[in-house]
Amino acid sequence: QLQLQESGPGVVKPSETLSLTCSVSGGSLSSSRYYWGWIRQSPGKGLEWLATIYYAGNTYYNPSLEGRVTIAADTTKNVFSLRLTSVTAADTAVYFCARHLSSWYDPDSWGQGTLVIVSS
Amino acid sequence: DIQMTQSPSSVSASVGDRVTITCRASQGINNWLAWYQQRPGKAPELLVRAASDLQSEVPSHFSAGGSGTDYTLTIRNLQPEDVATYYCQQAYRFPPTFGQGTKVEIK
Repeated sequence: QLQLQESGPGVVKPSETLSLTCSVSGGSLSSSRYYWGWIRQSPGKGLEWLATIYYAGNTYYNPSLEGRVTIAADTTKNVFSLRLTSVTAADTAVYFCARHLSSWYDPDSWGQGTLVIVSS
Repeated sequence: DIQMTQSPSSVSASVGDRVTITCRASQGINNWLAWYQQRPGKAPELLVRAASDLQSEVPSHFSAGGSGTDYTLTIRNLQPEDVATYYCQQAYRFPPTFGQGTKVEIK
């Protein structure tokens, strides 16, 4: 059974870089059937799709993040990651990693989510 | 970006009731719509793809449909386990965008 597990710091200081990792078990990042990505949820903005990556290296990013976001995958370790630079309080959210059935939509399996608070 | 507007924001109904949630897109989305269920304290789960295709494990008392800009998710015979917040998401235009959610509660 597929499982995704997010990990990362619970608190990040303003202007610093947020780094999260998603560990995948019961499935392979090298599969050509799926994409892997990140979605966040905050009280202010609700659910927001952030980025996805394909095993071949194709990446998709939400333009609203204005180039602050990078997604990467390590297929040898079966993990993928998210980096978000120059964070502000507006980036405080629960961050979910998820398997996607298509390039940037239909996330059909989600991790439990990890809360990230941006605060000094 | 395409704006997605759900109504109502919340609904309280009795067990066995029928509940209908509406999602309206700011432009036509040609059935590129998904619905998600998020139970309290849990991650969202994909319920419906392509406006009306229920995922395999979704109970049969859920149904979905619509066209153009207007889409619905209907819960017939509301059950206690259906208590959740439901979200729609369009995938017609990049980037994908979500509605603000509809909270379903039991009276």
